[in-house]
Amino acid sequence: GAVVSQHPSRVICKSGTSVKIECRSLDFQATTMFWYRQFPKKSLMLMATSNEGSKATYEQGVEKDKFLINHASLTLSTLTVTSAHPEDSSFYICSAPQLGQGFREQYFGPGTRLTVT
Amino acid sequence: AQRVTQPEKLLSVFKGAPVELKCNYSYSGSPELFWYVQYSRQRLQLLLRHISRESIKGFTADLNKGETSFHLKKPFAQEEDSAMYYCALSGDAGNMLTFGGGTRLMVKP
Repeated sequence: GAVVSQHPSRVICKSGTSVKIECRSLDFQATTMFWYRQFPKKSLMLMATSNEGSKATYEQGVEKDKFLINHASLTLSTLTVTSAHPEDSSFYICSAPQLGQGFREQYFGPGTRLTVT
Repeated sequence: AQRVTQPEKLLSVFKGAPVELKCNYSYSGSPELFWYVQYSRQRLQLLLRHISRESIKGFTADLNKGETSFHLKKPFAQEEDSAMYYCALSGDAGNMLTFGGGTRLMVKP
């Protein structure tokens, strides 16, 4: 099946710094990718939809100036957490849909654990 | 608006017992429903989707539009079924998934 990778898998940064997380579709092209945030013992919360060649669509309550999304190519979307605070510490997961047998299946990355100290 | 509810955060059963993970949804149109599973230290992966009406690893789920439910069932649970299970819905907004809160299934020997 299709593979989605994320880099880094784990990152620790200091408050006030920025962190970039990459999401790549390895063997297929994705004009759309999704970014989720997973809080401890809670479900995935959709943050934004990343659109290749255009602006990302953010969900209500997600600060677009804090979580910068860039979908530079058909295989790469990046999420940059700017001026990180400890409350931004979380598990960030991306996904990309791929058309299969008449159905778009979502493939998920392994996630990136961000810890802000 | 679309919403997915999984009322049980934790479900613990013994090996060989039947298991049912509940999922209810609200959506005004015709949704597509999915079950995703996340085994320990692995990424989320699709388990099954209502359109296919398939059985995967012994699991089945039937979409009940009258009750707006999509419960996941397996007649005989195995220890390797222990994982987090997420019910998800896709509506009109092009592939976007709305997830339920997840249910942790623990199958005890």
